[in-house]
Amino acid sequence: GAVVSQHPSRVICKSGTSVKIECRSLDFQATTMFWYRQFPKQSLMLMATSNEGSKATYEQGVEKDKFLINHASLTLSTLTVTSAHPEDSSFYICSARIGQGFTGELFFGEGSRLTVL
Amino acid sequence: AQSVAQPEDQVNVAEGNPLTVKCTYSVSGNPYLFWYVQYPNRGLQFLLKYITGDNLVKGSYGFEAEFNKSQTSFHLKKPSALVSDSALYFCAVRDRGNNRLAFGKGNQVVVIP
Repeated sequence: GAVVSQHPSRVICKSGTSVKIECRSLDFQATTMFWYRQFPKQSLMLMATSNEGSKATYEQGVEKDKFLINHASLTLSTLTVTSAHPEDSSFYICSARIGQGFTGELFFGEGSRLTVL
Repeated sequence: AQSVAQPEDQVNVAEGNPLTVKCTYSVSGNPYLFWYVQYPNRGLQFLLKYITGDNLVKGSYGFEAEFNKSQTSFHLKKPSALVSDSALYFCAVRDRGNNRLAFGKGNQVVVIP
């Protein structure tokens, strides 16, 4: 299947700093990527839909200024957690789908574990 | 909006026994249904999907799932569980009218040697 690479896999930062997480589709072009957040023993919560060349679409309750998403190319989307606080500590996962149709499955990155001290 | 229910938090099964992970869904129209598996501190891996056609779908690692429209269910099954099948399993549904994929809360499967 298609490969989605996510980096870094783990990051520890101090409160108040910003952290950037990258999501790359390695062998296909992804016009749309999705960012999820997962709390321990809970499901994935969709944070935003990242659209190449345009603004991301955020889900209700997700702060746009807190979680900056940039989709600069067909193979790269980035999530920046700005002024991180301990409550932002979580497992962040990106995904991408091949093609425009709704029938395709999502391919997920390996996730990024963010710990804010 | 579409939604998924995975009623059991954890499923315990002895190695070699049949494994079933339950999923029911709610959508406004015809659904696209998916199963994913997640190992600790890893992303999700695609197992199988139902789009149209045969209600019994076969997927990766010997898993299969049956789409039942009348019961709005898409239960995941494996005839003989392996210890390596121990993981977190997510059912997901996409309404044909929108781009969002809704996930269930996940089921922890524990296969006992």
